[in-house]
Amino acid sequence: GDSVTQMEGPVTLSEEAFLTINCTYTATGYPSLFWYVQYPGEGLQLLLKATKADDKGSNKGFEATYRKETTSFHLEKGSVQVSDSAVYFCALIPNTGGFKTIFGAGTRLFVKA
Amino acid sequence: NAGVTQTPKFQVLKTGQSMTLQCAQDMNHNSMYWYRQDPGMGLRLIYYSASEGTTDKGEVPNGYNVSRLNKREFSLRLESAAPSQTSVYFCASSDVIQGGTEAFFGQGTRLTVV
Repeated sequence: GDSVTQMEGPVTLSEEAFLTINCTYTATGYPSLFWYVQYPGEGLQLLLKATKADDKGSNKGFEATYRKETTSFHLEKGSVQVSDSAVYFCALIPNTGGFKTIFGAGTRLFVKA
Repeated sequence: NAGVTQTPKFQVLKTGQSMTLQCAQDMNHNSMYWYRQDPGMGLRLIYYSASEGTTDKGEVPNGYNVSRLNKREFSLRLESAAPSQTSVYFCASSDVIQGGTEAFFGQGTRLTVV
């Protein structure tokens, strides 16, 4: 079945470091791909998305590119801030007529000042 | 804009007690969902409602029931709470829009069953 695998955390970085959180997926066809972020004590909110191959989603300095050939959607940011500390979820919606979101396990990011 | 509102935010139950978690959305979305979040397991779908008047089981439905009261409201009921149901519960809603279907989440309900 459809699934999402993302790198285990926690990831600990110093402020201004480069961030990569790996995400790969299993799905037929061309699913829509998403990154959600969860700040402490809050629900999930959409960070960025891409709906077709080679699309790049971007928001708040974060980017991810839909790579069909490697079935990946890695999240990157050039310079992280303490305020980026959160849990990040990679997710997909299959394109087979479905609408339910399938989530990865989440990756916790700690950014130290 | 309220978005998705869940109540209560926190709850402690004794084993065997029942309770209902409430969820309402004001975005006129057709689809609503209940997830639970446990450490290291991400979000798992409990039940969902594709549209008003329909409900279906998700990945982990045992021990839960749901009611889609109207287009706005979707409640989750624990009939006889068990310690294994200690978790953070999230309600979400979505609708089909051009370019993909984004889900909107409530703030969560932290439930402890003792």
